[in-house]
Amino acid sequence: EAEVAQSPRYKITEKSQAVAFWCDPISGHATLYWYRQILGQGPELLVQFQDESVVDDSQLPKDRFSAERLKGVDSTLKIQPAELGDSAMYLCASSPGFAGRTGELFFGEGSRLTVL
Amino acid sequence: KQEVTQIPAALSVPEGENLVLNCSFTDSAIYNLQWFRQDPGKGLTSLLLIQSSQREQTSGRLNASLDKSSGRSTLYIAASQPGDSATYLCAVNQAGTALIFGKGTTLSVSS
Repeated sequence: EAEVAQSPRYKITEKSQAVAFWCDPISGHATLYWYRQILGQGPELLVQFQDESVVDDSQLPKDRFSAERLKGVDSTLKIQPAELGDSAMYLCASSPGFAGRTGELFFGEGSRLTVL
Repeated sequence: KQEVTQIPAALSVPEGENLVLNCSFTDSAIYNLQWFRQDPGKGLTSLLLIQSSQREQTSGRLNASLDKSSGRSTLYIAASQPGDSATYLCAVNQAGTALIFGKGTTLSVSS
């Protein structure tokens, strides 16, 4: 069964360091999402891609966060410098639907970030 | 702005009980609603997707209903089992936005 792959599963870093997360969506899924989930909360969207284009990054803290999906397949989310408040689960999801009308979303296992 | 609320925040039941999880949303102009399951420290697993034109969807012991006009959805779990213990999240899709999630209901089923 096709899955969304994410790495690393766990990352511990000190504040002010750089950290990067990688996501490989289900093959053929044009839409890719990065969500952040703080413990006890629902996921919140950081950035949404349609192929290689950013559709929505209005909630991405652009002073420290960046995301790219250069060839419209896999994607990288970077944080530099990391802050204590960035400790969370970073979830990647993909969907076969178009960005404006999301079909079923499929999530990866997530990357748990702890900033010390 | 769309807001999604899930009640209760936590629920404990003995094995074998039938139970209902509730989800409400403030803006009824949605394309679809999706229910997810999340185990501790894991990602989200899609359970059911209901399109705005549908009233319900069923998968095994799970049944999800949607009343778009009243802004409500319910997830019915029949004959609960300890393996059903997890957090259940609902999310709505609107035009021009990605999925908007509730905070979830954490279910504990005791044997």
